Amino acid sequence: DSGVTQTPKHLITATGQRVTLRCSPRSGDLSVYWYQQSLDQGLQFLIQYYNGEERAKGNILERFSAQQFPDLHSELNLSSLELGDSALYFCASSGGDSNYGYTFGSGTRLTVV
Amino acid sequence: AQTVTQSQPEMSVQEAETVTLSCTYDTSENNYYLFWYKQPPSRQMILVIRQEAYKQQNATENRFSVNFQKAAKSFSLKISDSQLGDTAMYFCAFMKRGSNSGYALNFGKGTSLLVTP
Repeated sequence: DSGVTQTPKHLITATGQRVTLRCSPRSGDLSVYWYQQSLDQGLQFLIQYYNGEERAKGNILERFSAQQFPDLHSELNLSSLELGDSALYFCASSGGDSNYGYTFGSGTRLTVV
Repeated sequence: AQTVTQSQPEMSVQEAETVTLSCTYDTSENNYYLFWYKQPPSRQMILVIRQEAYKQQNATENRFSVNFQKAAKSFSLKISDSQLGDTAMYFCAFMKRGSNSGYALNFGKGTSLLVTP
């Protein structure tokens, strides 16, 4: 157990639907990062939150949004889902500017049918 | 923007042998970190080794070591005495340094390593 908890582990949904992925960071970590891993795009950074505030945006689609709550857990909302959104979505957390990198969750496998 | 390039999509090594995975990066930053992550078939991302750019000494973690060449912007991973459990996708990653909130990791496309008996 890495200390970063992601739920659900697997999700199957239809095109056009909306889903919410949840992440609880490692205890004490203030930064949460979301990544999308697909076969053809590798690991793509989506968005970062730090202590409740959005800190950086990467290749995140307008149909996707995220937030970090006061208890530091984060949610990634994916709407108007398309087949191409099928991927593994990782959450990671860190303690800020540290050299140990991130701690990753085990990911949520999203399949859009 | 920083880019990370892993030029070897797939590699194979026999058990107990040594293998080196290549990684180059492009950045104008002077302070940064470099990492190698391992992703086994379980899909979990596992930190293998890390290097701070201001340290000249190459990092070592048991059977894993790096060859960090800052001027050449090269960061290769050497796995000694390869084991079957080393079979995984290996990702090289770059992270800027200097913000108390941290920065995003930029990943390469990965190298798939197969260790054979």
